[in-house]
Amino acid sequence: GDSVTQMEGPVTLSEEAFLTINCTYTATGYPSLFWYVQYPGEGLQLLLKATKADDKGSNKGFEATYRKETTSFHLEKGSVQVSDSAVYFCALSVYYGGSQGNLIFGKGTKLSVKP
Amino acid sequence: NAGVTQTPKFQVLKTGQSMTLQCAQDMNHEYMSWYRQDPGMGLRLIHYSVGAGITDQGEVPNGYNVSRSTTEDFPLRLLSAAPSQTSVYFCASSSPGSYTDTQYFGPGTRLTVL
Repeated sequence: GDSVTQMEGPVTLSEEAFLTINCTYTATGYPSLFWYVQYPGEGLQLLLKATKADDKGSNKGFEATYRKETTSFHLEKGSVQVSDSAVYFCALSVYYGGSQGNLIFGKGTKLSVKP
Repeated sequence: NAGVTQTPKFQVLKTGQSMTLQCAQDMNHEYMSWYRQDPGMGLRLIHYSVGAGITDQGEVPNGYNVSRSTTEDFPLRLLSAAPSQTSVYFCASSSPGSYTDTQYFGPGTRLTVL
């Protein structure tokens, strides 16, 4: 079945460090890929998305490229800030020829950024 | 624009009690869904709806019931609460029901079953 695997945390970085959170997927249909972020005590909000192969999603300095050949959608940021501390979820949604694609989530990666 | 709202924010139940978690959206979204979030498990889909009068099961539907009488509201009912249902529950919506669309999440309901 369809699934998402993302690197387990927690991840602790110093401010201005480079961030990579790995995400790989398995899908039988035509997936769209998403990164959602959950700040402490809040619901999830979309960080970025890519809907077809080779698309790059970007937002707030974060980037991820949809790599069909490696079935990956790794999240990167060149210089993290304390305010980036949150839990990050990789997710996919698959089109099955007319059916709504429900989101399938990875387990989440908790990021802590220290000053 | 309130987006997706959920009530209550916190709830404590005793085993066997029933309750309804409320979810409402003001974006005229056709698609709505309920997830539960457990430590180390990510989010798992409980039930979803692609429009008023249409609902379907997700990955973990047992012990939960839903109905969709209006576009705006999608309540989740726990018929007889069990400790295994202790979790954080999120409601989400999107439009027009495409797999490429962003889903918008509510702030969550933290439920504890004793």
